[in-house]
Amino acid sequence: GQNIDQPTEMTATEGAIVQINCTYQTSGFNGLFWYQQHAGEAPTFLSYNVLDGLEEKGRFSSFLSRSKGYSYLLLKELQMKDSASYLCAVIDSNYQLIWGAGTKLIIKP
Amino acid sequence: DTAVSQTPKYLVTQMGNDKSIKCEQNLGHDTMYWYKQDSKKFLKIMFSYNNKELIINETVPNRFSPKSPDKAHLNLHINSLELGDSAVYFCASSQTSGGTDTQYFGPGTRLTVL
Repeated sequence: GQNIDQPTEMTATEGAIVQINCTYQTSGFNGLFWYQQHAGEAPTFLSYNVLDGLEEKGRFSSFLSRSKGYSYLLLKELQMKDSASYLCAVIDSNYQLIWGAGTKLIIKP
Repeated sequence: DTAVSQTPKYLVTQMGNDKSIKCEQNLGHDTMYWYKQDSKKFLKIMFSYNNKELIINETVPNRFSPKSPDKAHLNLHINSLELGDSAVYFCASSQTSGGTDTQYFGPGTRLTVL
């Protein structure tokens, strides 16, 4: 079966750094997305990785290791507005998007 | 300008009723999707259309019927609503159906079945 695992919830402090992990077992791999979803709102695109390594985009970075079936989203200089759910999604061999259940990130002052 | 729009934003109705949710995208994308997000926040794909043609039809009760009059619109009609249909329904679109394109989501429709 296809499976994507993320922690259900994480808590971090404003100004700190947090790493949200995602592991996947899918039939094939054609890329991995990270989306952000604020409560009551739609998911919005954060990053896309298809090659191994780190992609940096401002305060957010996303890392991929295809051999380990592993990705993480790194958020630096956390702000209160970063409180949201972060969804990991993998494109399988049929080019279908398989979604994780998301990690709810709580930022405390 | 709203890229992907849905109406209504909230829908409260009784069991057994029939309801529709409308979705429109002005991005010029070829592919549109319907997702269901339940109380556990799990996003589940229901349907995908590419240029008005159905390409993904997951295991969804046949009470749910999508209709795409043109590639900018994908509506969802639900017959005989049940309590378990209560969820947030998101419409999304992407440039192509290739799977590697970013999906842009509408604001969601919160459906509550009483």
